[in-house]
Amino acid sequence: DTEVTQTPKHLVMGMTNKKSLKCEQHMGHRAMYWYKQKAKKPPELMFVYSYEKLSINESVPSRFSPECPNSSLLNLHLHALQPEDSALYLCASSQVAGSFQETQYFGPGTRLLVL
Amino acid sequence: ILNVEQSPQSLHVQEGDSTNFTCSFPSSNFYALHWYRWETAKSPEALFVMTLNGDEKKKGRISATLNTKEGYSYLYIKGSQPEDSATYLCAFSTDKLIFGTGTRLQVFP
Repeated sequence: DTEVTQTPKHLVMGMTNKKSLKCEQHMGHRAMYWYKQKAKKPPELMFVYSYEKLSINESVPSRFSPECPNSSLLNLHLHALQPEDSALYLCASSQVAGSFQETQYFGPGTRLLVL
Repeated sequence: ILNVEQSPQSLHVQEGDSTNFTCSFPSSNFYALHWYRWETAKSPEALFVMTLNGDEKKKGRISATLNTKEGYSYLYIKGSQPEDSATYLCAFSTDKLIFGTGTRLQVFP
């Protein structure tokens, strides 16, 4: 099973709302990632978790708060977002933590609209 | 700022045509080059990870070559089929993946 699942598929939220994006993998991978993709732009790395610990934060604003409750799950908590945060949020995982030569397996993404 | 460029941005071909596109990346501090195929509303699917200069990889009708000295990789599709329609992304590895903007391929029957 090489599947990474993400929920929800679509999310519309107001600027005062609090919501969470969820990501799950059952491949035994020890690295998990959040990416953000704006329209017509390439995916950009936000966070990396390695063995359930945050190892990379690409200077992401604190209104995005990642959480890795266990090795299979990755959450992204959203609070007080701005309309410019509207984007596709992609989750990925890889076998080995910290090695970018490893294949990353992606979920289908959550399309977020902030009103 | 590291830049990964892909060309062309989009491509329309007839079924049966062979096609190729390019990924250009910095030639210094090279670790790996990844190719992904991304159909609309689906997950990006890993095609190849290439690490050595001169590498050639093949998966069915799709193949890729790598030139790390001059900083480019080519992706070839032989005998394109409508199901090959997708965006093809390359990503350059440093301490993270840096993606290109992709080449959007449409294959018409």
